Amino acid sequence: DTAVSQTPKYLVTQMGNDKSIKCEQNLGHDTMYWYKQDSKKFLKIMFSYNNKELIINETVPNRFSPKSPDKAHLNLHINSLELGDSAVYFCASSQGGTGVRETQYFGPGTRLLVL
Amino acid sequence: AQKITQTQPGMFVQEKEAVTLDCTYDTSDPSYGLFWYKQPSSGEMIFLIYQGSYDQQNATEGRYSLNFQKARKSANLVISASQLGDSAMYFCAMREGYSSASKIIFGSGTRLSIRP
Repeated sequence: DTAVSQTPKYLVTQMGNDKSIKCEQNLGHDTMYWYKQDSKKFLKIMFSYNNKELIINETVPNRFSPKSPDKAHLNLHINSLELGDSAVYFCASSQGGTGVRETQYFGPGTRLLVL
Repeated sequence: AQKITQTQPGMFVQEKEAVTLDCTYDTSDPSYGLFWYKQPSSGEMIFLIYQGSYDQQNATEGRYSLNFQKARKSANLVISASQLGDSAMYFCAMREGYSSASKIIFGSGTRLSIRP
């Protein structure tokens, strides 16, 4: 059973296009996240949702818009794609609370290449 | 200032040897959690081990242990009896505080290569 899944796994698209990445978790977790990993492997948080409510919104261009239809799903929509958006995007989820419950479990990643 | 520092960009270790991956952190919050993740060449992020700031004992999970030295603000990962499958990027991470708005900050990673 896949705990955190993302679709698509690979996304190749032209500059200026709009694309979406979907994420689903079946762990019953309350909090979900989007991360961006750049070509140097640096991993940075973009957004976090707790029970469908946006709680972390890092300095991300407003071309990126997350949407959480329910607490098991968190999608990422990107408008007007730019070359610099090429990266691996990871979805993650955590139970929430203290201690080891803070642990985030990651999806397999979506490799986005903007041409 | 960097919150999480991993000073070893790359390491080579002989199979079956133990290896220590360094991690230092910077925080003034007394409540924090420390994590290690493994990222093999296939790309997924795999959770390895967790240490809470109030935990009295070092965390262990199978061949992984976390050498937690609170006064030095270090949280080194020790892998015993390394295997070829341990070759991967390893990331140290920290979460400050326990609110839902707390975020995990990752270090820059260490690429570990195990020699047969």
